[in-house]
Amino acid sequence: NAGVTQTPKFQVLKTGQSMTLQCAQDMNHEYMSWYRQDPGMGLRLIHYSVGAGITDQGEVPNGYNVSRSTTEDFPLRLLSAAPSQTSVYFCASQRGGGYEQYFGPGTRLTVT
Amino acid sequence: AQSVTQLGSHVSVSEGALVLLRCNYSSSVPPYLFWYVQYPNQGLQLLLKYTSAATLVKGINGFEAEFKKSETSFHLTKPSAHMSDAAEYFCAVSDRVKAAGNKLTFGGGTRVLVKP
Repeated sequence: NAGVTQTPKFQVLKTGQSMTLQCAQDMNHEYMSWYRQDPGMGLRLIHYSVGAGITDQGEVPNGYNVSRSTTEDFPLRLLSAAPSQTSVYFCASQRGGGYEQYFGPGTRLTVT
Repeated sequence: AQSVTQLGSHVSVSEGALVLLRCNYSSSVPPYLFWYVQYPNQGLQLLLKYTSAATLVKGINGFEAEFKKSETSFHLTKPSAHMSDAAEYFCAVSDRVKAAGNKLTFGGGTRVLVKP
């Protein structure tokens, strides 16, 4: 049981490039989320999903897209990277509302 | 919208001393409450959670937190700090409204330094 996995661990992009951060969970959790972590700001919710085919925006969705075609996978796409998107990104999964979230190890992204 | 305030972005304690990390939330309806710990270069790990049972919640590694509705607080404590407790701690809340789904709101975090 691997829990929540994220790839890559590190990534450097140039401004304007696009990429996809991968997230997968093997716990058959219904809910999945993407957060970004910036110093002094805690974690901020980017997008979340309450089941396959269902996604919604969080607090800071601009510049990011998501889709959820399977229960296991929840990729995050950066459409045109900007330096303001330099951050550490965490994916999390959750059994359902009110349950704790399980976090992946994170992806450290630098946009130059 | 929910908001979470953690008082003090950095806390320094001596090994063996009490650890007290403060968390206040804004909701008028008691939410679900969580404390997470993050060790360097790792993801977040759940320490404990409050859903609706006992107001004093015990977690892993000797931590506990007390829910006080009148103070809208959920402070985290550990009687005796250990060097391994050096980490960043996050308080988080989630609305009880079903439509809120899995939306967690996090505080800004408190980094704990343990001095020998």
